[in-house]
Amino acid sequence: RKEVEQDPGPFNVPEGATVAFNCTYSNSASQSFFWYRQDCRKEPKLLMSVYSSGNEDGRFTAQLNRASQYISLLIRDSKLSDSATYLCVVKTDSNYQLIWGAGTKLIIKP
Amino acid sequence: DADVTQTPRNRITKTGKRIMLECSQTKGHDRMYWYRQDPGLGLRLIYYSFDVKDINKGEISDGYSVSRQAQAKFSLSLESAIPNQTALYFCATSDLVSTNSYNEQFFGPGTRLTVL
Repeated sequence: RKEVEQDPGPFNVPEGATVAFNCTYSNSASQSFFWYRQDCRKEPKLLMSVYSSGNEDGRFTAQLNRASQYISLLIRDSKLSDSATYLCVVKTDSNYQLIWGAGTKLIIKP
Repeated sequence: DADVTQTPRNRITKTGKRIMLECSQTKGHDRMYWYRQDPGLGLRLIYYSFDVKDINKGEISDGYSVSRQAQAKFSLSLESAIPNQTALYFCATSDLVSTNSYNEQFFGPGTRLTVL
């Protein structure tokens, strides 16, 4: 079992719709959680950190469920520019190393 | 100008050749990392460096070596390239962190390496 698992997609979603995807992690001692965004053939960039209480940044909402060991990302009122691959990232221990999911590809259609 | 740069951006080489990928940063960060990305897999850490005198192996260091020539420069070498080292390679940097906190990693544009 992979340490961090994501549905690879692609998720094909019409513009303006709401889309959500989950990421599960296997290490219950995981400490920190993040979503990165990667555009096609580009480098990953931090989208948002995921806090225990959940957090929102504009149209983006991230949630953490420690009991079930998953994090989620919700995108409201999706834009064409949201098309990208979304990478789930988990920090498992004090050695700081990050464990990366393979990513979920999102395609927003006009 | 980009804060984290990588050279070359693309490279095709043959099995057995020695290859060096270079990374430079102007962010003033102490920590630098080398990752590879393969289709269907997450980024995997090859090596990381907390400062010029501190080099550490990551998850998949076999077949690779690194050199931290200065705070701003971190090079990755493949001493004898093999086809399964064909991948997209990313360099990243982050600021100094305390043991139980995390700072954002900033990535270079990547080097696409093909080993024939």
